[in-house]
Amino acid sequence: DQQVKQNSPSLSVQEGRISILNCDYTNSMFDYFLWYKKYPAEGPTFLISISSIKDKNEDGRFTVFLNKSAKHLSLHIVPSQPGDSAVYFCAASGGTGNQFYFGTGTSLTVIP
Amino acid sequence: ETGVTQSPTHLIKTRGQQVTLRCSSQSGHNTVSWYQQALGQGPQFIFQYYREEENGRGNFPPRFSGLQFPNYSSELNVNALELDDSALYLCASSSGPQETQYFGPGTRLLVL
Repeated sequence: DQQVKQNSPSLSVQEGRISILNCDYTNSMFDYFLWYKKYPAEGPTFLISISSIKDKNEDGRFTVFLNKSAKHLSLHIVPSQPGDSAVYFCAASGGTGNQFYFGTGTSLTVIP
Repeated sequence: ETGVTQSPTHLIKTRGQQVTLRCSSQSGHNTVSWYQQALGQGPQFIFQYYREEENGRGNFPPRFSGLQFPNYSSELNVNALELDDSALYLCASSSGPQETQYFGPGTRLLVL
């Protein structure tokens, strides 16, 4: 039962343009959401998080938007850079238990 | 400040064998979570250790067991290895059970 879903396995964007990565979740008890970036042969690197009391959090080029009614979050990267090419995972936690639930990832390619 | 480290980086075992993976948490962190990441999937939660006690477990059989030491480093033990146990095993540390998790580089296990 996949509680966090990333329906786009891959995304290609031109350098300098905006990258938008999407994530949907099913568990209404989730109250903390995170995005991680993963390069090959490395562990996931924390990028940005958002609590359910907010609908937007910004950190430099990265902005996460949360739509609780739609159970949807998105990560915006602007402007996109070739170094942003990686697999991006969204994760969620909350309710009972301490585990983080991860999506299956979206592979972003930024074309120079 | 040292990040999360894991050893070994790669491991090859045969079915039925046992394996121990190790993780050193980031300085100041008292919580370690273990994940299994199969090819093309997101990380799946195995269990979490907080102050040397198991503090939550995912849907993994009892042959997956763990330990946390007084210095908050941790071990993951898998007995009676099966072919499907071949995966990347990730360790993440955090400053508390529900805080942001920071990942190590992972141990890639191949079971033949």
